[in-house]
Amino acid sequence: AQKVTQAQTEISVVEKEDVTLDCVYETRDTTYYLFWYKQPPSGELVFLIRRNSFDEQNEISGRYSWNFQKSTSSFNFTITASQVVDSAVYFCALSEGNQGGKLIFGQGTELSVKP
Amino acid sequence: DVKVTQSSRYLVKRTGEKVFLECVQDMDHENMFWYRQDPGLGLRLIYFSYDVKMKEKGDIPEGYSVSREKKERFSLILESASTNQTSMYLCASSVTGFSYEQYFGPGTRLTVT
Repeated sequence: AQKVTQAQTEISVVEKEDVTLDCVYETRDTTYYLFWYKQPPSGELVFLIRRNSFDEQNEISGRYSWNFQKSTSSFNFTITASQVVDSAVYFCALSEGNQGGKLIFGQGTELSVKP
Repeated sequence: DVKVTQSSRYLVKRTGEKVFLECVQDMDHENMFWYRQDPGLGLRLIYFSYDVKMKEKGDIPEGYSVSREKKERFSLILESASTNQTSMYLCASSVTGFSYEQYFGPGTRLTVT
């Protein structure tokens, strides 16, 4: 059965620290997509990145980077030099090829960046 | 600028009331979704719709129904609200296909007393 696990419920760091948010997924499909979303205090989920199951290249976007490893079924998210504005709940999600666009979300990790 | 709007940010209803949550998207998306978000549980899918008048149950449809009479509008209905339906409700939309991201509305925080 498909499942997404974000084992870290809450993380607290001091500004400028690097932080990694873990995401482990389970699926029997060979074709799937993985996503990360950010939910700031305002409540609206914001799309950050999409990665398909055939592309294991790491991705970097500014201070954000993502490490996709099929061997460990993980899709981890690293924020370098964290800032207070990074404080939010972050969700990892899985979409499978035969599910028509439904997303399976992890439980979310609440990141608190203190000045 | 893409937009998903929800009719209310905060709503307080009494047990047994019929509750309507409205969602409108302006992106001409085929897919629309209703989730509820509870602490420690992430987002759980209630219902989704692939097209007008089409609907499918998600993981937790009990106690809910939906309506999609127009492509841009997807309504979630609580036939008889109960206290265990107190939650944050999020609407989302996307284009057809499993590879596309969903766009979310700001959410409705519903309290049932």
